[in-house]
Amino acid sequence: SQQGEEDPQALSIQEGENATMNCSYKTSINNLQWYRQNSGRGLVHLILIRSNEREKHSGRLRVTLDTSKKSSSLLITASRAADTASYFCATDDSSYKLIFGSGTRLLVRP
Amino acid sequence: SQTIHQWPATLVQPVGSPLSLECTVEGTSNPNLYWYRQAAGRGLQLLFYSVGIGQISSEVPQNLSASRPQDRQFILSSKKLLLSDSGFYLCAWRHYGYTFGSGTRLTVV
Repeated sequence: SQQGEEDPQALSIQEGENATMNCSYKTSINNLQWYRQNSGRGLVHLILIRSNEREKHSGRLRVTLDTSKKSSSLLITASRAADTASYFCATDDSSYKLIFGSGTRLLVRP
Repeated sequence: SQTIHQWPATLVQPVGSPLSLECTVEGTSNPNLYWYRQAAGRGLQLLFYSVGIGQISSEVPQNLSASRPQDRQFILSSKKLLLSDSGFYLCAWRHYGYTFGSGTRLTVV
């Protein structure tokens, strides 16, 4: 079953612009994680935000979490062509299962 | 250092043939291990997870099975592949976040 749903499904921006992706989920969570996947490759862990945290930064990444709305956002600032990839949110509940959303395909045009 | 290995990278198998995909983890003990499948252009679907040797939890009914014969080894199997088993299979190890293997692209023909 899929827990998270990303929005938008696809995003195309110009290099240097910011990219914002949203994720909604349905059940209570321990934490929410964001992953990146280059075409046809494995997933790379980007950032984890715990359920008692509201915002977290890592380099050009900024993640927010609103547990009352069961939603999260990933902001990539000053995007680069190399940021082109699919981005997935995933929720981790007390059963230790990581459930993924359907992903956002980001294209950064040089 | 902690690493995860998954092989083969690519596999083409005829319908009805058996399957065995292997995943091993190095540099840790008693890891939680996971098998996911990703259909083309889609998110990841959790297939199996294991919290210890011989302990397997199945998330969806399917033509596949998993086994954990050793602490750091997780195997995905099938006795007879179906066309619908085609996809990208990923093994993962849980720690702070999750570390994924590089994946196996399985095409059943």
